[in-house]
Amino acid sequence: NAGVTQTPKFQVLKTGQSMTLQCAQDMNHEYMSWYRQDPGMGLRLIHYSVGAGITDQGEVPNGYNVSRSTTEDFPLRLLSAAPSQTSVYFCASSEPQGANTGELFFGEGSRLTVL
Amino acid sequence: DQQVKQNSPSLSVQEGRISILNCDYTNSMFDYFLWYKKYPAEGPTFLISISSIKDKNEDGRFTVFLNKSAKHLSLHIVPSQPGDSAVYFCAAKWKRGGSRLTFGEGTQLTVNP
Repeated sequence: NAGVTQTPKFQVLKTGQSMTLQCAQDMNHEYMSWYRQDPGMGLRLIHYSVGAGITDQGEVPNGYNVSRSTTEDFPLRLLSAAPSQTSVYFCASSEPQGANTGELFFGEGSRLTVL
Repeated sequence: DQQVKQNSPSLSVQEGRISILNCDYTNSMFDYFLWYKKYPAEGPTFLISISSIKDKNEDGRFTVFLNKSAKHLSLHIVPSQPGDSAVYFCAAKWKRGGSRLTFGEGTQLTVNP
């Protein structure tokens, strides 16, 4: 049982480059989300999706793009990387809304450094 | 503005004693409160939750208390064990927006043998 899988685990980018962080889950969860973790700031929500074809912005969406074409996958795109996007990124998923108490299943994280 | 706040960046306790982690919130639009535990180089894992209509929820050594009038919740770990050493995040789930959570800054708990 893989759960939530994130790739890559580590990435170094130069300012202005673009890249996509991949996230896949095999639990048939409708809800998926992306968070970033920065020292002293906890986890902040970037974008989330309540189902295939539906996405919405979180607290810190600027500079990021998402799409949800399938239930399983929720990629996060950095359009033009900036040093301020240096962070650890976590993808998370959860069960459908009706049964949900907020328990998220997190991936292991992707550490991104932008030079 | 920080809607979920953990004011203590770190806490150190002796093995076998009680650990109390605190969290404050400012918004009444939350319907669940949760605690997550995070080890280095791993993703956060769910620990325990409480509905906004409850005062207490217990699961083994972990108990969460919710004081709605003070907009305060706390996590009690009794007895504390060295394996409990981790960063603990308090989180609040919005009534709308699926499983949208707002997290606190985290508290590093160190349990000394």
